[in-house]
Amino acid sequence: NAGVMQNPRHLVRRRGQEARLRCSPMKGHSHVYWYRQLPEEGLKFMVYLQKENIIDESGMPKERFSAEFPKEGPSILRIQQVVRGDSAAYFCASSPTTSGFGNTIYFGEGSWLTVV
Amino acid sequence: QKEVEQNSGPLSVPEGAIASLNCTYSDRGSQSFFWYRQYSGKSPELIMSIYSNGDKEDGRFTAQLNKASQYVSLLIRDSQPSDSATYLCAVTSSGNTPLVFGKGTRLSVIA
Repeated sequence: NAGVMQNPRHLVRRRGQEARLRCSPMKGHSHVYWYRQLPEEGLKFMVYLQKENIIDESGMPKERFSAEFPKEGPSILRIQQVVRGDSAAYFCASSPTTSGFGNTIYFGEGSWLTVV
Repeated sequence: QKEVEQNSGPLSVPEGAIASLNCTYSDRGSQSFFWYRQYSGKSPELIMSIYSNGDKEDGRFTAQLNKASQYVSLLIRDSQPSDSATYLCAVTSSGNTPLVFGKGTRLSVIA
């Protein structure tokens, strides 16, 4: 499967626990984006990363959330001390090296986080 | 703040009709425009991209862009029940800025 791979697909956490969501971009893609979708809401940008660099984290909550895209391995979105409001679908997307126009981004199947 | 506005719907059309989905955006510097389709519980799937004013056709889908009016639309001809989904409009100003999405329009095609 050459698509964007996300895991886990479904994750249940108790309040106060940590959630780690992983994303492997499409082959040949070096840019990773994380979006969050709350129930009945649109996709909200969180963070944009390249290998070992955070390019834009303007959509990331200031506390409890962090993201990385190491030289080796998948990108990880980490949510510490989860609260019920963190329950959402978290989508990862990837794109190839940027060109003059906005690159088409391709989404993974998402990770559904439920906080109980 | 860059905003993308869509009518949330639901938009109901009979099978075989033309469905027209509209989107406006606030950033005049926007250069690239995308339509995604999202089925309930699934991830967004790219349908069309458009960069220049005018129409772009791909099968039953036509995207229309008017930068002066800051307006982009998607027409679906010969609508099928399988087209029933939420359609997301997304906009970006350059290759280095992330896509900004509208909340989506829910389309229901009635057999």
